[in-house]
Amino acid sequence: QSVLTQPPSASGTPGQRVTISCSGSSPNIGSYTVSWYQQFPGTAPKLLIYTNNQRPSGVPDRFSGSKSGTSASLAISGLQSEDEADYYCAAWDDSLNGYVFGTGTKVTVL
Amino acid sequence: EVQLVESGGGLVQPGGSLRLSCAASGFTFSTYGMNWVRQAPGKGLEWVSIIGGGGATKYYADSVKGRFTISRDNAKNSLYLQMNSLRVEDTAVYYCVRKGLVRYSPDFDYWGQGALVTVSS
Repeated sequence: QSVLTQPPSASGTPGQRVTISCSGSSPNIGSYTVSWYQQFPGTAPKLLIYTNNQRPSGVPDRFSGSKSGTSASLAISGLQSEDEADYYCAAWDDSLNGYVFGTGTKVTVL
Repeated sequence: EVQLVESGGGLVQPGGSLRLSCAASGFTFSTYGMNWVRQAPGKGLEWVSIIGGGGATKYYADSVKGRFTISRDNAKNSLYLQMNSLRVEDTAVYYCVRKGLVRYSPDFDYWGQGALVTVSS
C-alpha cells in the first residue's frame, strides 16, 4: 500500500484539460519535491515533471505540475490521444528513508 | 547517448538467489546516484533501492531490506542488485534507473528496458 494516493482513473475528450491529484503527508510531499512519470504499456516510465513543476527537455508544455502543502497535481491541457497512459507521482519519504511512488492513474482519452 | 542495459533476470525458486546487473554508458557513471525500481505484473511502480555515486550511501525499501544488496563498480560503469531469499511477491520487472542531481528529488531521468524476475516453484 503506497503512502502517495492517486485516483485510479481519469478521462477526458481531445482538447480538454485533465488533472491528476497525488495526496501525501508531511514526511513526503509536505517536505520534499514531487516528480511525475508517464508510462505506456510494456515500456519503461518516462520522467515528465521534476521538482514539482519543471519539465525535462522534450516534454510538451501541455504538461504542468504543482504542489501545495501535502498534495501535488499534474495537469494535461489540450488532451491528445497519445496522452493515454498511466501516470505516477513520486517523492522522498523521511519516515521510510526512501522514495515512494503513487498508486498510479490511468488516463483515458474518450 | 545515455544507455542502461539490465541483465541477469530469469526464473528462480522461492528462497533462491539472483543477481541483476546494469551496464551504463553515455555519461560519467560515478557522478550519479543509481536506483532499482520494480513493477509486478499489472501493478504499479515500487522503488527498491538507491546507491550514491561513490557507493557509500545506500537505502532500501522495507520490503527488501535484509534480503537485497545494491552495489556498483564505477570502473566498470556497472550497477548490481544481489537478491537473496526471494519470495513469490518479488516477481516483477526490475528497472535500472539513473537519478538526476537534485538532492532528495525523485528526478529519475533515464530508465533501462527492464529485466523480468520470476519467483515460482
